[in-house]
Amino acid sequence: EDKVVQSPLSLVVHEGDTVTLNCSYEVTNFRSLLWYKQEKKAPTFLFMLTSSGIEKKSGRLSSILDKKELFSILNITATQTGDSAIYLCAVPMEYGNKLVFGAGTILRVKS
Amino acid sequence: KAGVTQTPRYLIKTRGQQVTLSCSPISGHRSVSWYQQTPGQGLQFLFEYFSETQRNKGNFPGRFSGRQFSNSRSEMNVSTLELGDSALYLCASRSPGSLEGDTQYFGPGTRLTVL
Repeated sequence: EDKVVQSPLSLVVHEGDTVTLNCSYEVTNFRSLLWYKQEKKAPTFLFMLTSSGIEKKSGRLSSILDKKELFSILNITATQTGDSAIYLCAVPMEYGNKLVFGAGTILRVKS
Repeated sequence: KAGVTQTPRYLIKTRGQQVTLSCSPISGHRSVSWYQQTPGQGLQFLFEYFSETQRNKGNFPGRFSGRQFSNSRSEMNVSTLELGDSALYLCASRSPGSLEGDTQYFGPGTRLTVL
């Protein structure tokens, strides 16, 4: 059965800390892995990682994909209170039309 | 480009009623997917529509249905509402045809409360 597992489930840090969020997956016909940030309502897209693009970076956020070990990590450096959110990892199945999500990591950044 | 829009944003219904939610995808996106998000189950896939055809369906009862119109706008319907249907319903659109098309862009959701 295809599955996506995230850890930790929740995390509390102080502003300025660096955090690492984990996502492992077991899927057939892997195509890509997506990271989203969800604050109030809509998950907003952060990164897509594929076999040909195993590392992405945007400002203080970066992500890598380890296709051999079947996991991805999302790093956030110099955290800010605005980084407080749920971070979701998802893997597209069945030609991309169905996303299977992990349970998410709830990140709280304290000032 | 305008993002994915969903209406209404909030709904309160009673058990046994039915409800229709609407979603307008990003301009040019022909694929629309629907998800249910609850604290206990997380984000669960409901179904996907492309060119007015349902291409995939998640593990939900037949009370959950949907359709897509020729302009790619989509509606989902839940009949005979149950308390357990209370959730955030999210719509997402994408432009399939390439690997980048795997990325789904989400709307703000409709918060449904069933009393």
